[in-house]
Amino acid sequence: GQQVMQIPQYQHVQEGEDFTTYCNSSTTLSNIQWYKQRPGGHPVFLIQLVKSGEVKKQKRLTFQFGEAKKNSSLHITATQTTDVGTYFCAAERAGKSTFGDGTTLTVKP
Amino acid sequence: NAGVTQTPKFRVLKTGQSMTLLCAQDMNHEYMYWYRQDPGMGLRLIHYSVGEGTTAKGEVPDGYNVSRLKKQNFLLGLESAAPSQTSVYFCASSYLEFAYNEQFFGPGTRLTVL
Repeated sequence: GQQVMQIPQYQHVQEGEDFTTYCNSSTTLSNIQWYKQRPGGHPVFLIQLVKSGEVKKQKRLTFQFGEAKKNSSLHITATQTTDVGTYFCAAERAGKSTFGDGTTLTVKP
Repeated sequence: NAGVTQTPKFRVLKTGQSMTLLCAQDMNHEYMYWYRQDPGMGLRLIHYSVGEGTTAKGEVPDGYNVSRLKKQNFLLGLESAAPSQTSVYFCASSYLEFAYNEQFFGPGTRLTVL
């Protein structure tokens, strides 16, 4: 099955710093999804990217899908304490999603 | 509109005991999923269903069974619980349209097997 690798596993930043997490696959992906899970909570869907080279923005969050559709990134500008949590990418195919292990972000005020 | 609900929220079992986890959704979604999440890891798909009366195996199906007798409900059963099944279990549902597959997750069930 398809596998997605996420790096880094953990990221600690000072409030106001930027943050980026990367998702990589050895195979070409149909699409990539991003979810956020707050501590003690459940995953919440953020976005799905489908097209090669696609870039989407949600306020301070920027999502990119690589030209070869084998990698993706999530960039947060000027982190806030509300951004803490674990960010997962997931490769979706025929109704099933394979999740990466996530990047856990902590933000120091 | 409750979204996705899971019952129970917490459960402690002894090795060899059985139990059923219930997932219900009120969004008329065709697709439903059961995942497990172990500490520091992502979600691993146990079983899923693409419609009422259908089920299929995911990545880690061993030791679990599922049923989808009604569209809104998806049951996960553990016939003989083992300590390795200690985990947080999440149910999710979605509608798949033109390859768009936003999954809505329930709050989770924290299961401990002693």
